[in-house]
Amino acid sequence: GAVVSQHPSWVICKSGTSVKIECRSLDFQATTMFWYRQFPKQSLMLMATSNEGSKATYEQGVEKDKFLINHASLTLSTLTVTSAHPEDSSFYICSTWGGVTRDEQYFGPGTRLTVT
Amino acid sequence: DAKTTQPPSMDCAEGRAANLPCNHSTISGNEYVYWYRQIHSQGPQYIIHGLKNNETNEMASLIITEDRKSSTLILPHATLRDTAVYYCIVRPRPSNSGYALNFGKGTSLLVTP
Repeated sequence: GAVVSQHPSWVICKSGTSVKIECRSLDFQATTMFWYRQFPKQSLMLMATSNEGSKATYEQGVEKDKFLINHASLTLSTLTVTSAHPEDSSFYICSTWGGVTRDEQYFGPGTRLTVT
Repeated sequence: DAKTTQPPSMDCAEGRAANLPCNHSTISGNEYVYWYRQIHSQGPQYIIHGLKNNETNEMASLIITEDRKSSTLILPHATLRDTAVYYCIVRPRPSNSGYALNFGKGTSLLVTP
């Protein structure tokens, strides 16, 4: 089945620095990838939709200048959290559709970001 | 997407069947019922989906009522590793792969020894 990987699995950074999270589809091409974040004891919230070769689409309330998304190839999307603050500490998860009939949404293992 | 309602939490004894209900009374004809689960600190895992017929795979069974207004996910022999948050999501089949799943609060299932 389809596999989505993320790197790093966890990261600690200081306030004001930037952090890049990579999301890869390992055995299929993903023209579209999704980025979610999840705060403790809450559900997943869609942040943005990443489209290969074009600009990402952000959900309402998500700052596009703060959360930079690049989808330069069919197997890699990156999320950069710029000028991170403690309130950006969260669990970030990427996802894409896959499967034989492409009707299963596969999720990466997530990246735990802690901003100190 | 149609709204879904799930109980916030449930308990189940190890080895017994876990039956997780989901109400989706406003479901429309082209919407599927998807089930995912999320084990603590991991990404969500696909379980099963269906339109109107009951479905079964190696993980679970999905029972959809005839009027499609509710469904039940059945884990036939729950194990401790099935402790997770289970999400019931209703949405059209992704003819457009640019359409993401939206997650509600789900049901937190605790399987006890």
